[in-house]
Amino acid sequence: ILNVEQSPQSLHVQEGDSTNFTCSFPSSNFYALHWYRWETAKSPEALFVMTLNGDEKKKGRISATLNTKEGYSYLYIKGSQPEDSATYLCASLGGGTYKYIFGTGTRLKVLA
Amino acid sequence: SAVISQKPSRDICQRGTSLTIQCQVDSQVTMMFWYRQQPGQSLTLIATANQGSEATYESGFVIDKFPISRPNLTFSTLTVSNMSPEDSSIYLCSVGRTGSHEQFFGPGTRLTVL
Repeated sequence: ILNVEQSPQSLHVQEGDSTNFTCSFPSSNFYALHWYRWETAKSPEALFVMTLNGDEKKKGRISATLNTKEGYSYLYIKGSQPEDSATYLCASLGGGTYKYIFGTGTRLKVLA
Repeated sequence: SAVISQKPSRDICQRGTSLTIQCQVDSQVTMMFWYRQQPGQSLTLIATANQGSEATYESGFVIDKFPISRPNLTFSTLTVSNMSPEDSSIYLCSVGRTGSHEQFFGPGTRLTVL
């Protein structure tokens, strides 16, 4: 059974600070890892889809890395802004399945 | 991508009643999924709803409690039956396309059962 864990559970940072979160997942039968950004009352927004060991993706001030051998991914936010406040979810997808296994998310609050 | 809407966006219901949640997609999609997120828990897949076939339920979820309809390629409903406070959750639908592992999510329905 896949088990995806995210840390920290919640995080408060000051505007301008850089921060990062961790997603750990079972490395066996790995196919893809998804990162989503979820604001209250809105649809989870896809940030990154990562498949290859060593992948590094970037979207504006947000970037992510992937280590499939040890089963972890980091999400980085540089120069946090209040509009970055959201829950960041990761989801692991195993080979031969369309079923995501989600972590519990990291709730980020950026204080102005 | 796909634009997905859900109704209602939130509701407060009494114990023992049922609520039907609607999910509408702006394009035809093969696969639709229903998830829930209980407080402090991860998003958990309830069932997969493909048009023209019975929904496939995950372990711990049954059709009598969560009946699903999928009448066409752009619409699905999930009913939460005989509700109890433990059913208080955010319910999300998502869609996927054959050959792609990406899923796109609706905005969710926040349900509180008193």
